[in-house]
Amino acid sequence: SQTIHQWPATLVQPVGSPLSLECTVEGTSNPNLYWYRQAAGRGLQLLFYSVGIGQISSEVPQNLSASRPQDRQFILSSKKLLLSDSGFYLCAWSASLAEDTQYFGPGTRLTVL
Amino acid sequence: DQQVKQNSPSLSVQEGRISILNCDYTNSMFDYFLWYKKYPAEGPTFLISISSIKDKNEDGRFTVFLNKSAKHLSLHIVPSQPGDSAVYFCAASAYGDDKIIFGKGTRLHILP
Repeated sequence: SQTIHQWPATLVQPVGSPLSLECTVEGTSNPNLYWYRQAAGRGLQLLFYSVGIGQISSEVPQNLSASRPQDRQFILSSKKLLLSDSGFYLCAWSASLAEDTQYFGPGTRLTVL
Repeated sequence: DQQVKQNSPSLSVQEGRISILNCDYTNSMFDYFLWYKKYPAEGPTFLISISSIKDKNEDGRFTVFLNKSAKHLSLHIVPSQPGDSAVYFCAASAYGDDKIIFGKGTRLHILP
C-alpha cells in the first residue's frame, strides 16, 4: 500500500531564516506530487505540483520554491521566511491523470516568529 | 476567482440527524468531484467522489449528489455521528488537468 511521509511535523523558525520541508511517498512509482498550504480561513491553497522528476509547476507567486530531486521525493524550500509563511503545509500525491484522487500526508505546522 | 465555493463556513447538526454540506462550482469543464474530511493538525482524508456521468454516489453513511445544470453538489451524512465533526472540503478537477481545486471548507459540528 502507498504511504506518504512529511517531516518535520512542527517547526518554529525566525523571520529571514531558510526553510526545507520534505515529503516522500512509498509504494508507488512516478506519482504526481503536490504542496498545499492551509492558512486560517483560507482553505487549501495549491502552491506547487510536479508530474515528474525536475518538473515543477508553480501556482502562486511567493518566496517559496519546490524541487523534486527523486521520483518520490518533493521538497518545499525558502531562502528567507516571512511572517506570512506561517501555516499548515500539506503534501499530497496522486497516481496519474486518469485517477484524480489525491492522498495527503500528515502535514507540517510552520510558525514564523 | 473562486472556482469551487463552499458558502457555509460552519454547520451544526444534532447527532443522529442528516448533515448536508453544499458546494457550488463555476467551471463547466470540471468533471470529477471529491469530498475530503480534515481533523485539526492532520492531513485531509479522501471521503467520496463522483464523476460527472453520474448524479449520485453512495458509500455507507455518505452520499454525494451532483446537479450539473446547477453546478452544485452536496454531501449527505446520515446518521451524523460525533466523529463526523471536522472540516469538509469540496474539490473538483477537469479531465486531463493535474490539479484539484479546493473550496475553503465547511466546519461541521455534531451536537450531542
